[in-house]
This record gives sequence, C-alpha cells and structure tokens, in this order.
Amino acid sequence: KNQVEQSPQSLIILEGKNCTLQCNYTVSPFSNLRWYKQDTGRGPVSLTIMTFSENTKSNGRYTATLDADTKQSSLHITASQLSDSASYICVVSGGGSQGNLIFGKGTKLSVKP
Amino acid sequence: GEEVAQTPKHLVRGEGQKAKLYCAPIKGHSYVFWYQQVLKNEFKFLISFQNENVFDETGMPKERFSAKCLPNSPCSLEIQATKLEDSAVYFCASSQRVYSGTDTQYFGPGTRLTVL
Repeated sequence: KNQVEQSPQSLIILEGKNCTLQCNYTVSPFSNLRWYKQDTGRGPVSLTIMTFSENTKSNGRYTATLDADTKQSSLHITASQLSDSASYICVVSGGGSQGNLIFGKGTKLSVKP
Repeated sequence: GEEVAQTPKHLVRGEGQKAKLYCAPIKGHSYVFWYQQVLKNEFKFLISFQNENVFDETGMPKERFSAKCLPNSPCSLEIQATKLEDSAVYFCASSQRVYSGTDTQYFGPGTRLTVL
C-alpha cells in the first residue's frame, strides 16, 4: 500500500533554533517528493519538489533532502522564526497518468519566542 | 488570476441536504484537483480534471459526489444528500501540467463544510 509517514507528529522549538522533520514513504513507482507548508486555516504552499535524482534542494531557510534508496526525506529549517509555526506536509507523487499526490499527516511545528 | 479561488469559505448543511462548492483555478492552468481534508489529517484525493475532461476520478465516492469543470465557469464539487462524515475542508488545487511530474499544485484556501 502506498503510504507516507511523517515524524514527529508535533514539535515545539524556540525561535532561532534549527529543526529537522522526517518523512518515510513506500510509494511505488516514485516520481517526486514535495514538502508543503500549511498555515492554520489556509491551503498548503509548496516549499520544495525533488525528483529521484535530486539529493537536496533549498528554499531560503528550508532545505530538503531525499534518499531514494532508503525512501526517506527530511526537511531542515534553519534559524526558525515565529512565522514558521505551521504544519509541514510531505507529499509523494507516484507519477503515471494520474498526477494525484499521496499526503503524509504532517508535522505540526510550533515556534515559541 | 494568480490565486486559486474557492467559494464559499464556510458551508453548513443539515444531514441529507445538498452542498455545492466552487473553485476558480489560476488562469492558464489546465489541471484542477479536488482534495478532502478531514480533522486536519491527511488529504484524500477526490478527482482531477484536464480542462473540462475528467482526468482521474479514482478517489470519488460516486454515489453522492459529482464534479464538473465547464468552459468559462468555475469548477464545482457537489455532494448530494450530505452525511455527517462529509464534514471536512475541501481544497481545490490547479497546475499547468500534471504528467511532467514536478509541476507545483497551487492550493486554494479551502471550503469548510460542516454537516449537522
């Protein structure tokens, strides 16, 4: 069964600290992996998209890594800010003709002053 | 426009009533996707369109759910005879292409449906 598992479920950190969120997947075939940020009451916003040949991709203070062999990805947030408080969702695309995405349940990050 | 628009923002229906949700994709985007998010958990894919044609409907509970994307009109998702378990936030997303694999899906703000 195609699944995307994220950990931790929730995380509280102090402003200015770094953190790393994890994503494991069993989606096959694999096309690409995306990280989204979802603020409360809003739709998800794309942070990074990586294909199987890409090991790392950055977007400002967000850096995503991908190990297609072990089917693991991580999202590293550097020098966290209060505005980083949100749910971070790992999403895997199986490609093919569907184009629909398989979503993890997300990690809820709270950044405290 | 540059944003996916969804209306209404909130919708309350009594069990058994009909609910209709609307989505205007970003101009120039050929693909529209509908997702259901229950209790802030993972998104469930419902259906996708390529222009006005159904592209993938494997996630649709067909007995009560239907969707359309007609030319020059917002896309719509309709639920006949709503049930309590239909209470969720329904997100619409659009993208320029889908088969390239790396096209970003841009999400709307969602419509929160509450079935009482």
